[in-house]
Amino acid sequence: EVQLVESGGGLVKPGGSLRLSCAASGFTFSSYSMNWVRQAPGKGLEWVSSISSSSSYIYYADSVKGRFTISRDNAKNSLYLQMNSLRAEDTAVYYCARAAAYLIDYWGQGTLVTVSS
Amino acid sequence: QPVLTQSSSASASLGSSVKLTCTLSSGHSSYIIAWHQQQPGKAPRYLMKLEGSGSYNKGSGVPDRFSGSSSGADRYLTISNLQSEDEADYYCETWDSNTRVFGGGTKLTVL
Repeated sequence: EVQLVESGGGLVKPGGSLRLSCAASGFTFSSYSMNWVRQAPGKGLEWVSSISSSSSYIYYADSVKGRFTISRDNAKNSLYLQMNSLRAEDTAVYYCARAAAYLIDYWGQGTLVTVSS
Repeated sequence: QPVLTQSSSASASLGSSVKLTCTLSSGHSSYIIAWHQQQPGKAPRYLMKLEGSGSYNKGSGVPDRFSGSSSGADRYLTISNLQSEDEADYYCETWDSNTRVFGGGTKLTVL
């Protein structure tokens, strides 16, 4: 069974940093591209970042470019999101998601990030 | 990059059928999309991938009541024999030019 378990969310002050993790199991992690998608309170889904299976290709939404860094460790079956210079508008539930043939086919349960003073 | 347009809300009666629409922007009518369901307070769940031909591939455990179809730039999700647990937000998704795009979502109310 495919499982994606996020962790690392919490309350952080504006301008602060946070590192999210996603532990994957139930599939060959190194064969799939992975993604972070967020959802602000009461809003729709917003793509944040994607990373290819071997980390050769990395993409970001304009809203986080230069502040967030996606990475993965295939030996540890883990995906990460380093978030710096956080803003109030980054407040959201952050989901880890697997993609197959470019589209998402599994989601994690999400971790809440709150940016507030 | 493509834009995905969805109606903000839809409603249908228990036991009836409903057809939700996701429309691809001009120049992107051949794109494959995915449909996702998000029940209140839960994470999204993948339902299916849907091609421009109307061929679709459902995720594990998705009930037979869920089906997909296509016409031109429109991608449809049909839910038959509506159940109370089908009350949820439904999002379409696609990928192009190194960008992942989501529709705004349709909130489905089961009456």
